[in-house]
Amino acid sequence: AQTVTQSQPEMSVQEAETVTLSCTYDTSESNYYLFWYKQPPSRQMILVIRQEAYKQQNATENRFSVNFQKAAKSFSLKISDSQLGDTAMYFCAFMGFISNFGNEKLTFGTGTRLTIIP
Amino acid sequence: DAGITQSPRHKVTETGTPVTLRCHQTENHRYMYWYRQDPGHGLRLIHYSYGVKDTDKGEVSDGYSVSRSKTEDFLLTLESATSSQTSVYFCAISEMGRGNTGELFFGEGSRLTVL
Repeated sequence: AQTVTQSQPEMSVQEAETVTLSCTYDTSESNYYLFWYKQPPSRQMILVIRQEAYKQQNATENRFSVNFQKAAKSFSLKISDSQLGDTAMYFCAFMGFISNFGNEKLTFGTGTRLTIIP
Repeated sequence: DAGITQSPRHKVTETGTPVTLRCHQTENHRYMYWYRQDPGHGLRLIHYSYGVKDTDKGEVSDGYSVSRSKTEDFLLTLESATSSQTSVYFCAISEMGRGNTGELFFGEGSRLTVL
């Protein structure tokens, strides 16, 4: 079974600074997806960024980028120029593919609560 | 936004009573999931479905059952609710295959309190 570990339960950073959230995972599969989801106080789950394991290039979405180290099974999220609206719970998640006809499940880490300080 | 509706959004019930949560989608996605969210545990998969009448267990399925008789509806039932099932429940949908990203789209969550 896959496991996802987020070792930072809480973090805080000053507005406009850069922050990096860490995530490691364990799997024996070679093809998979990795995700970062954001959950603001509204409780809505919002996709931040997505990485496909077969792509060596790190994904970026505006101020959000990842550092994907496949051999180390590490998938960290960097938020540049942090904004107050980035305050949220951030979840790292793993999706593997056991077959083409099912079993595509998303496994989540326990989350990192990020607070942006004005 | 993906068309996912969860009902009820809030429910308070007593130990031993049955509870059914409903997830309705308008996206015609094949995959549907039920997760529960608890502090310190993140989101944990209860059950999921990969087609009408095709369901499978997740990591925390004990005490829960599901049914999917139509593509658009996925029901989660607690046959006899216990206090340990007090949680926030999320439904999610996804579509796989060529051209799809594997992303899960989530409903707004249902807060269940079992007294």
